Amino acid sequence: EAGVTQSPTHLIKTRGQQATLRCSPISGHTSVYWYQQALGLGLQFLLWYDEGEERNRGNFPPRFSGRQFPNYSSELNVNALELEDSALYLCASSLGSTWDTRNYGYTFGSGTRLTVV
Amino acid sequence: AQKVTQAQTEISVVEKEDVTLDCVYETRDTTYYLFWYKQPPSGELVFLIRRNSFDEQNEISGRYSWNFQKSTSSFNFTITASQVVDSAVYFCALGGGGGNKLTFGTGTQLKVEL
Repeated sequence: EAGVTQSPTHLIKTRGQQATLRCSPISGHTSVYWYQQALGLGLQFLLWYDEGEERNRGNFPPRFSGRQFPNYSSELNVNALELEDSALYLCASSLGSTWDTRNYGYTFGSGTRLTVV
Repeated sequence: AQKVTQAQTEISVVEKEDVTLDCVYETRDTTYYLFWYKQPPSGELVFLIRRNSFDEQNEISGRYSWNFQKSTSSFNFTITASQVVDSAVYFCALGGGGGNKLTFGTGTQLKVEL
């Protein structure tokens, strides 16, 4: 079974540009989550999508946005990039959208390392 | 608000030593879920265990064991006979309430040397 796949692996952008990060969940998983892991700030929750809808959002500005497609894959867009957006962006997926026995644990991808120069 | 504290920033041990990683959590939820993840240098977070708040049974999986103590709000992780391959950053995380959000601790960097 293929795991959560993220692309690209690395991304270098200039301040002010836009970045698009992509995530394909495990087959059958309907929920996708995005986390930011910035140096010194730990893992911060960004967004949760389920069945094509945004279900929850972390404490990030509106220039962080995304969407989930009918095949449950997801895109994270970061507009007007700032230097402090440089981080590892991790995507995770889970089976189901509630804390039940099926939703045993999130499965994370290897991440996209975004560098803003 | 939920909070997870991993007070140990970095631990260094010699191979075959036992090591315990501490995790203390805060939550007002009556039902919650605790997780441990391993992050090797490759960056991917590897799921190790999930423990539900209503199940205080401790668990052992090979060289790994977890001690969940609701009375002290702790969920500690012990590696027995550590190996070099155990070197990684280990994160404790808390989930519960609405929103499916996981709150992570700041992680503990474990270095196992020969």
